[in-house]
Amino acid sequence: NAGVTQTPKFRILKIGQSMTLQCTQDMNHNYMYWYRQDPGMGLKLIYYSVGAGITDKGEVPNGYNVSRSTTEDFPLRLELAAPSQTSVYFCASSYSRDGGSDTQYFGPGTRLTVL
Amino acid sequence: GQNIDQPTEMTATEGAIVQINCTYQTSGFNGLFWYQQHAGEAPTFLSYNVLDGLEEKGRFSSFLSRSKGYSYLLLKELQMKDSASYLCAGGGSSASKIIFGSGTRLSIRP
Repeated sequence: NAGVTQTPKFRILKIGQSMTLQCTQDMNHNYMYWYRQDPGMGLKLIYYSVGAGITDKGEVPNGYNVSRSTTEDFPLRLELAAPSQTSVYFCASSYSRDGGSDTQYFGPGTRLTVL
Repeated sequence: GQNIDQPTEMTATEGAIVQINCTYQTSGFNGLFWYQQHAGEAPTFLSYNVLDGLEEKGRFSSFLSRSKGYSYLLLKELQMKDSASYLCAGGGSSASKIIFGSGTRLSIRP
């Protein structure tokens, strides 16, 4: 199993550009998550999904969009990049029966800089 | 809202024992996670406590007191490779209720 994979590893965007961060998991997990981590800080939940076709906002969803058309893929879209979105983005997945009590498996992260 | 508090930095000596504390508001969390994160890498799961008491896994142990809103991670026989950030996270009744602390950056000196 590859686990959770993310592409790209690094990206530099100009203000106002858009991009999609890709995330794929091959563990047949029903839950998937997107987090951002600013330097020296913890993880902030952007969006999550409890299964294909179902997504919901986390703590910091503004400026982002997601979709979940398959169990495996959970892309994160930035429409109008802003410097405040400079961060490291982690995708994670878990097999969850009751919501928030299951181990999350993280991808390697995407380091995004917006100039 | 719910807060997770943990020290920002700690330093310990190779071969010694270190305890990393985490406090949280008691409402809303079903249990406590601990994750390890090496610099520039993704977090990896260490432990999850849902019952009060100490759970031991080799050199690492985790403790939870739900009534006090308190948890700690105990690392024994410290090795240089244990230099990392340790994230405490509260697990809740839904996926959106998982709240991460800012992490404790642990440095091990020879």
